[in-house]
Amino acid sequence: DAEITQSPRHKITETGRQVTLACHQTWNHNNMFWYRQDLGHGLRLIHYSYGVQDTNKGEVSDGYSVSRSNTEDLPLTLESAASSQTSVYFCASSEGLPPLTNTQYFGPGTRLTVL
Amino acid sequence: AQSVAQPEDQVNVAEGNPLTVKCTYSVSGNPYLFWYVQYPNRGLQFLLKYITGDNLVKGSYGFEAEFNKSQTSFHLKKPSALVSDSALYFCAVRVYDQTGANNLFFGTGTRLTVIP
Repeated sequence: DAEITQSPRHKITETGRQVTLACHQTWNHNNMFWYRQDLGHGLRLIHYSYGVQDTNKGEVSDGYSVSRSNTEDLPLTLESAASSQTSVYFCASSEGLPPLTNTQYFGPGTRLTVL
Repeated sequence: AQSVAQPEDQVNVAEGNPLTVKCTYSVSGNPYLFWYVQYPNRGLQFLLKYITGDNLVKGSYGFEAEFNKSQTSFHLKKPSALVSDSALYFCAVRVYDQTGANNLFFGTGTRLTVIP
């Protein structure tokens, strides 16, 4: 069955280190998204991609970057981890068209702790 | 600016009773509204969406939602709650922004507890 996976599921790192969270989907979806989930904020969009080589900043993109070299993967990189980036991170994907009505499907999440 | 609000952080309901989880929205243009559910230590699962047409939308697991344009609401409902419905529920709205992007904006979530 098609699915979306994230790795690692749990990560503990230190302030200042570079961290990369992986997201892989087998639906062949054009659109992929990264969110962070924090108490009292719901889910907030970090970065998104509408296709290979396309990346865009979301609401809370500072300190994060993504790259899209193929359809299946959208890794999220924290360039220099900060304690404020301790959160649960979700990856999602959706079909390309029509974009306003299509449904996003979410991965299981990565819990990141920055000490 | 577009936004979505879930006015209740916590909803408790007895098993077998009807449940309602509230959502209101504020958008310019036509709203496209979604409900997701999150079980402990899991990702979000899609429940239902309103795009156009009938104001009553039926979704997974016996849930439904009523779109009310005059009240700008999209409340989630179920006629008879199950203990297994206990979870965190998110309402989301999708609109175009000025860059042409069309992404989801989520509410802060409502924790539903069904009491046996």
